[in-house]
Amino acid sequence: AQSVAQPEDQVNVAEGNPLTVKCTYSVSGNPYLFWYVQYPNRGLQFLLKYITGDNLVKGSYGFEAEFNKSQTSFHLKKPSALVSDSALYFCAVRDGGGGYNKLIFGAGTRLAVHP
Amino acid sequence: GAVVSQHPSWVICKSGTSVKIECRSLDFQATTMFWYRQFPKQSLMLMATSNEGSKATYEQGVEKDKFLINHASLTLSTLTVTSAHPEDSSFYICSARGHSGMFYNEQFFGPGTRLTVL
Repeated sequence: AQSVAQPEDQVNVAEGNPLTVKCTYSVSGNPYLFWYVQYPNRGLQFLLKYITGDNLVKGSYGFEAEFNKSQTSFHLKKPSALVSDSALYFCAVRDGGGGYNKLIFGAGTRLAVHP
Repeated sequence: GAVVSQHPSWVICKSGTSVKIECRSLDFQATTMFWYRQFPKQSLMLMATSNEGSKATYEQGVEKDKFLINHASLTLSTLTVTSAHPEDSSFYICSARGHSGMFYNEQFFGPGTRLTVL
């Protein structure tokens, strides 16, 4: 079965510092991995995805994520955090073995960037 | 990217009434649409998967007679919460998966509908 773990409920970062939001996954086949951001009372906004190719994926708003197959991780990173990055971040995985498998979400990590 | 809309964005209803939420893919066709439910400060929980022209597949623990899903066309799916109760109050988010072309197999999310049952 597919599963996603986001071990941190909240991450606190000072503005201008680098940030990392952690994600590990479990799938039986090849993983399709995604990061989404959610602002209060809003739907999910797509940030980036990994399907195949380069392990380092660059996405929207300066975010990037690194796929690590041996550690089954897909951590989200940004070199310099902004206060406006404060939001709820979700990691998600889909088993790439089938074209219509479900997208499974992690519990979410709240990012708080302090001025 | 592609746009998915939901209507209404928020609704307040009395206990015992039914509420219909619409999900539309505005600039692409979606063979498959997904309905999620999100409680405050929690993750998205998949409720059901609907395929155009066929019955929805519900996740374990989701009452199909309470949460009626209709996917009548490639651009519209509806979720009806029947005989709503306060415990049904939640944030409902739909998602649509592209049918063909540049959005094939990509999944896009709607802005969500906040349901409050009094």
